[in-house]
Amino acid sequence: AQSVTQLGSHVSVSEGALVLLRCNYSSSVPPYLFWYVQYPNQGLQLLLKYTTGATLVKGINGFEAEFKKSETSFHLTKPSAHMSDAAEYFCAVSEERGSTLGRLYFGRGTQLTVWP
Amino acid sequence: NAGVTQTPKFRVLKTGQSMTLLCAQDMNHEYMYWYRQDPGMGLRLIHYSVGEGTTAKGEVPDGYNVSRLKKQNFLLGLESAAPSQTSVYFCASSYRSNEQFFGPGTRLTVL
Repeated sequence: AQSVTQLGSHVSVSEGALVLLRCNYSSSVPPYLFWYVQYPNQGLQLLLKYTTGATLVKGINGFEAEFKKSETSFHLTKPSAHMSDAAEYFCAVSEERGSTLGRLYFGRGTQLTVWP
Repeated sequence: NAGVTQTPKFRVLKTGQSMTLLCAQDMNHEYMYWYRQDPGMGLRLIHYSVGEGTTAKGEVPDGYNVSRLKKQNFLLGLESAAPSQTSVYFCASSYRSNEQFFGPGTRLTVL
């Protein structure tokens, strides 16, 4: 089974500052990688995903993430935080490529707080 | 196009009561999933289904049963609710191993 580690359960930044949310996974075979965002009392919404091709992936709301195979990482960044970015963020990893089961393994989440 | 919907949104049960959570999707997805979300634990997979009439256990299946009689619906049942099942339950669907689309969640409290 996959293992996903999100470093830091809480991250606080000032509005306009860089956002960096860390995610590492355990698979030795490059999986599919996802970042989801959850706003209070809502379901999860896909921010971005990596499947194949370019390792720098751009998502919605100005977020991007870079797949680094050598570091087994998929960190999420945004150059300038906005108050509306305050939410919980989940990194997720699919089962190994070629699997038809489609299971996702989630990290424990990082709560992002943005200060004015 | 409603996406993934869940019924009910909130529910309070007493220990030992039973209930069924309904998930419906209108995207013609083959795969459907039930997760529970607890503080600091992320999302944990309860059961999933890769097609109509098929179901399988996830990470935390004990105390839950599921059925997928129709492609668009995935039911999660609690036969005898326990306080440990107090949680937020999310349903999701996907086209094979692509991204999953989530419902808005059901907040369940077991007293």
